[in-house]
Amino acid sequence: EAQVTQNPRYLITVTGKKLTVTCSQNMNHEYMSWYRQDPGLGLRQIYYSMNVEVTDKGDVPEGYKVSRKEKRNFPLILESPSPNQTSLYFCASSLSIPRGGQNEQFFGPGTRLTVL
Amino acid sequence: AQKVTQAQTEISVVEKEDVTLDCVYETRDTTYYLFWYKQPPSGELVFLIRRNSFDEQNEISGRYSWNFQKSTSSFNFTITASQVVDSAVYFCALSEGAYNTDKLIFGTGTRLQVFP
Repeated sequence: EAQVTQNPRYLITVTGKKLTVTCSQNMNHEYMSWYRQDPGLGLRQIYYSMNVEVTDKGDVPEGYKVSRKEKRNFPLILESPSPNQTSLYFCASSLSIPRGGQNEQFFGPGTRLTVL
Repeated sequence: AQKVTQAQTEISVVEKEDVTLDCVYETRDTTYYLFWYKQPPSGELVFLIRRNSFDEQNEISGRYSWNFQKSTSSFNFTITASQVVDSAVYFCALSEGAYNTDKLIFGTGTRLQVFP
């Protein structure tokens, strides 16, 4: 089954304790990205990756890191989480060929993160 | 600058009523794509439709229909004979072809509550 998986689905942590949210897709998609969803703000892109070893900042990258060492995985790293990073996080993937913009993005189930 | 506005924060209707969710977008690009996603109470994002900027034909899928008007930069979504299962948050989103990525710019969402 074609899907994007995220782990964990729920996480409660404390300020400053490093954490990683994993994201994996089995569709051989080039493009992967992370979004955060906050009430009244919709979803905003954090980081994206056009392909292996190619990553770039989205609209709200502060406090986050990512890596793309393999095509299928795109982990989101919070080196020192703070309460303002409490949010619902979505990983997404899509084909970017032949032209970006038109492709349906496949979203993971979401990770609800609470930072105390 | 690209932007998506969903002015209706929350809509409540009684089952079997028709309801229209508004979406207004801003973009300088001539090639762009518009999307609607549904987020039920379970939290996942469900893809509903994608339209490109060159295709202004309205689309109907069962009880769902979409009205795309470039003249008013709107891409409205109508649910006919609403049902309780339609209760969800609905997001309109824009993707611009010029950047050759699949970045989605989301509106802030409209929460639809359908009462029996």
